[in-house]
Amino acid sequence: DGGITQSPKYLFRKEGQNVTLSCEQNLNHDAMYWYRQDPGQGLRLIYYSQIVNDFQKGDIAEGYSVSREKKESFPLTVTSAQKNPTAFYLCASSIFAGVSNEQFFGPGTRLTVL
Amino acid sequence: AQTVTQSQPEMSVQEAETVTLSCTYDTSESNYYLFWYKQPPSRQMILVIRQEAYKQQNATENRFSVNFQKAAKSFSLKISDSQLGDTAMYFCAFMKIDQFYFGTGTSLTVIP
Repeated sequence: DGGITQSPKYLFRKEGQNVTLSCEQNLNHDAMYWYRQDPGQGLRLIYYSQIVNDFQKGDIAEGYSVSREKKESFPLTVTSAQKNPTAFYLCASSIFAGVSNEQFFGPGTRLTVL
Repeated sequence: AQTVTQSQPEMSVQEAETVTLSCTYDTSESNYYLFWYKQPPSRQMILVIRQEAYKQQNATENRFSVNFQKAAKSFSLKISDSQLGDTAMYFCAFMKIDQFYFGTGTSLTVIP
């Protein structure tokens, strides 16, 4: 089955530790995205990538980093510089950026920093 | 900057009735796309319907339809014959070029 997988579903980390969230897609999509979802704030874009080895900052990139070494993978690292990392994180992909393609979403990862 | 506003944080509707969710957006672009996404309790985001701004005809998908008013920058979602499975958060989204901009969502509860 084609789709987007995110792991783990729940993640707990101590304050000050870096943590990496996984996102993998087998849809052969060029573009991938990371969003953060907080109650009452909808989805906010963290980073996005249109092609391998290239990515751009979204609206709230501070304290986050990404890599895009493979087309199917777009991991997100939440660094200790992120002041309030506890949130629900969603990964998405689309065929390619620049046209009216819908975004397909993964099931999300709930990160809790203790 | 593009902004998307959903002014109804919570709504409820009786099963089999019709409900309309509101969405307004602000942009200076002339060519863009609009979407409604549904997020049920499982939190999996699912596309409900999409509308191209250059098309005057309102999009429909089975029980879901939109009222797109380009001049007013309004994009409301109408759900007919509401079903219990429609209970979810609904997000309006605006897309131009390579980025999506989401509203804050409307939590819809369908009452049996």
